[in-house]
Amino acid sequence: AQTVTQSQPEMSVQEAETVTLSCTYDTSESNYYLFWYKQPPSRQMILVIRQEAYKQQNATENRFSVNFQKAAKSFSLKISDSQLGDTAMYFCAFMKGRTGNQFYFGTGTSLTVIP
Amino acid sequence: DGGITQSPKYLFRKEGQNVTLSCEQNLNHDAMYWYRQDPGQGLRLIYYSQIVNDFQKGDIAEGYSVSREKKESFPLTVTSAQKNPTAFYLCASSTASAPNYEQYFGPGTRLTVT
Repeated sequence: AQTVTQSQPEMSVQEAETVTLSCTYDTSESNYYLFWYKQPPSRQMILVIRQEAYKQQNATENRFSVNFQKAAKSFSLKISDSQLGDTAMYFCAFMKGRTGNQFYFGTGTSLTVIP
Repeated sequence: DGGITQSPKYLFRKEGQNVTLSCEQNLNHDAMYWYRQDPGQGLRLIYYSQIVNDFQKGDIAEGYSVSREKKESFPLTVTSAQKNPTAFYLCASSTASAPNYEQYFGPGTRLTVT
């Protein structure tokens, strides 16, 4: 079974600063995908960033980037120039293979951006 | 606009009653999912369906049932056998097109059972 662990239940960051959210996972699969989803107070889940395990290059999306360490099974999210709108729950998720089926989610990190 | 709709946003029921949560998508996705979200527990998979007329149990299927008669629709019934039904329920769908895998989520339904 796949497990996803987010060890930081809550974090805060000053506006315009940088913050890193941690995620580790456990799997015996060699081909998989990793995701970070954001859930703002509206509770609408939004995809932040996606990483394919067979790609060594870390994914980036504007102010969001990941540090993917495959051997360590670590997938952290870095948010640069934090904005008030970044305040949300952030979930790390794992999907095995190329079948596009079951996702496994971590328990989430609640991020508060302080003005 | 393409997307996933869940209705209603808030639902209240008395204990012992079955209740059905609606989920519709117009994204032409084959796969659909139901998650339950409780504080501190993230998203837990209840049921998923990869094709019409077929579905599989997730990690917490007990007390729930689903149907998938149409590609666009994947309703979830919370039965009276579910011991703690009060929760936030999220429906999702996904494409199987590599490499842009993604689960698209509906806005959710908050179910309160008293």
